[in-house]
Amino acid sequence: EPEVTQTPSHQVTQMGQEVILRCVPISNHLYFYWYRQILGQKVEFLVSFYNNEISEKSEIFDDQFSVERPDGSNFTLKIRSTKLEDSAMYFCASIGSSYEQYFGPGTRLTVT
Amino acid sequence: RKEVEQDPGPFNVPEGATVAFNCTYSNSASQSFFWYRQDCRKEPKLLMSVYSSGNEDGRFTAQLNRASQYISLLIRDSKLSDSATYLCVVNPNYGQNFVFGPGTRLSVLP
Repeated sequence: EPEVTQTPSHQVTQMGQEVILRCVPISNHLYFYWYRQILGQKVEFLVSFYNNEISEKSEIFDDQFSVERPDGSNFTLKIRSTKLEDSAMYFCASIGSSYEQYFGPGTRLTVT
Repeated sequence: RKEVEQDPGPFNVPEGATVAFNCTYSNSASQSFFWYRQDCRKEPKLLMSVYSSGNEDGRFTAQLNRASQYISLLIRDSKLSDSATYLCVVNPNYGQNFVFGPGTRLSVLP
């Protein structure tokens, strides 16, 4: 069964550093998403991506964040100058024609 | 008003019990509705889509009331493995962002 994959599973970084979180969505899916979930809180939408451009973004997704689909399979989230409050689980997700969204296993980002 | 609201929980029920989760949403133009389950520190996993006519999958039954902007999930004969957080998710339109409720935690006790 096709699945969304994410790497790394856990990333530890120092405040102020840049991190890149990677995702490989399901191959025939059309829309790609990034979400974050701070420990104990709800899943929050960050950004959606379609046809090689941002489709929609939340107020959380400020200039510190960027997304890219560099090679037709990978979908990356870059966080510049990380802050302590960026510590969270980051989930990638994708949807195909069925409207049903499938999530990757997440990357746990710890900013120290 | 929050976009998607759920019972605050947690629900602690014995094995074999029937448990119902409730969810309301604020965007009356929403098109698609889902229930996800999330185990601790894991990704949300799709449990079922929710259709206007209601739908059932084994022990799970989902209902949608568009007029009341209300979604429900019923779990019959609950199992220990049903212990998780249940997330109500609403999508305004295909491709738009999915809005998650805060979740309701369920613990099924032996």
